Amino acid sequence: QKEVEQDPGPLSVPEGAIVSLNCTYSNSAFQYFMWYRQYSRKGPELLMYTYSSGNKEDGRFTAQVDKSSKYISLFIRDSQPSDSATYLCAMSHNYGQNFVFGPGTRLSVLP
Amino acid sequence: DVKVTQSSRYLVKRTGEKVFLECVQDMDHENMFWYRQDPGLGLRLIYFSYDVKMKEKGDIPEGYSVSREKKERFSLILESASTNQTSMYLCASSFADYKPGGRNEQFFGPGTRLTVL
Repeated sequence: QKEVEQDPGPLSVPEGAIVSLNCTYSNSAFQYFMWYRQYSRKGPELLMYTYSSGNKEDGRFTAQVDKSSKYISLFIRDSQPSDSATYLCAMSHNYGQNFVFGPGTRLSVLP
Repeated sequence: DVKVTQSSRYLVKRTGEKVFLECVQDMDHENMFWYRQDPGLGLRLIYFSYDVKMKEKGDIPEGYSVSREKKERFSLILESASTNQTSMYLCASSFADYKPGGRNEQFFGPGTRLTVL
């Protein structure tokens, strides 16, 4: 079993849809959870950052962490064509520790 | 804004050549990382460094070496390039934040797409 699992997609949705992206993980020691967005032929950029459990909202984006289920989610409301990218989840045990990345989900938002 | 730059966006090399990939960050980050990214495999850590002249192997160090002579610069070296090293190479940096709950996200460069013929 991989340490972090993520559906690779591709996921296609119409503009304006609510998108749900998910990752599951096996290591209960993870405490830091991140979502990165990567446009084609570019490096990943940090989208959301969460420490431990709970929800975090930033504009149209909401990140949720459920440590009891070892499950994290990213929700995108009112999705736009500019949201079309690959979304990578990442997590780490502690400060300064290496990240473990999911393989990424490719999202296409169709106008 | 944090800026991580990589020396080349695209590189084409021949089998057996020695290849240098350079990464520079301007935020005084202690930590620097080299990853490769391949379809279906995601990001895999090659090497990382927590301080000048310090290096640690990641998950896939075979065929690679690194150098960190200055805090802002981290180089990845392919001693003898092979076709299976054709990939996207990403450099990243972060603070070594020792406060529990502090931010330790990694900031990425734009990547170097290396093709080995």
